Amino acid sequence: GNSVTQMEGPVTLSEEAFLTINCTYTATGYPSLFWYVQYPGEGLQLLLKATKADDKGSNKGFEATYRKETTSFHLEKGSVQVSDSAVYFCALSGSSNTGKLIFGQGTTLQVKP
Amino acid sequence: DADVTQTPRNRITKTGKRIMLECSQTKGHDRMYWYRQDPGLGLQLIYYSFDVKDINKGEISDGYSVSRQAQAKFSLSLESAIPNQTALYFCATSDSSGGAGDTQYFGPGTRLTVL
Repeated sequence: GNSVTQMEGPVTLSEEAFLTINCTYTATGYPSLFWYVQYPGEGLQLLLKATKADDKGSNKGFEATYRKETTSFHLEKGSVQVSDSAVYFCALSGSSNTGKLIFGQGTTLQVKP
Repeated sequence: DADVTQTPRNRITKTGKRIMLECSQTKGHDRMYWYRQDPGLGLQLIYYSFDVKDINKGEISDGYSVSRQAQAKFSLSLESAIPNQTALYFCATSDSSGGAGDTQYFGPGTRLTVL
């Protein structure tokens, strides 16, 4: 079945450091891929998404490229801020039109001043 | 006002009690979902509904039931709560226009503790 694996956290960085959170997936067909972010005490919100191979999703300085050859969708940001401290979830939606999301386990990011 | 609201935000109950969690949305979306979040496990799908008459089980539906009272309302019930149902519960919505690429919009969550 479909699955998503993320790098384990927590990840602790200093402000302005480079961020990478790894995400790999297993899926049949052509899934859509997502990164959701959960700030403390809040629900999840979409950060970015990509719906086909080689697409790059981007938002708020974050980027991720849909790599079908490596089944990956790694999240990157060139310079993190304290306000980026949150839990980040990689997710996929299968190629059938159900809209169901399969989530990774989440990666906690803490950015220190 | 928030587009997706959940009530209550926090609830403590005892083993064996029946409890209902409610979700309302003003986004006009057809699709609604219930997830639970456990530490280190991400989110798991409990039930989902494509419209008022279309309700489907997710990965972990045992011990839960749902009701779609209207397009805007989707309730989750625990008929007889047990401690391992202690978790953070999220409701989400999406429209059906984009297929697998649809964005889901999440409520703020309900923290449920079963003693």
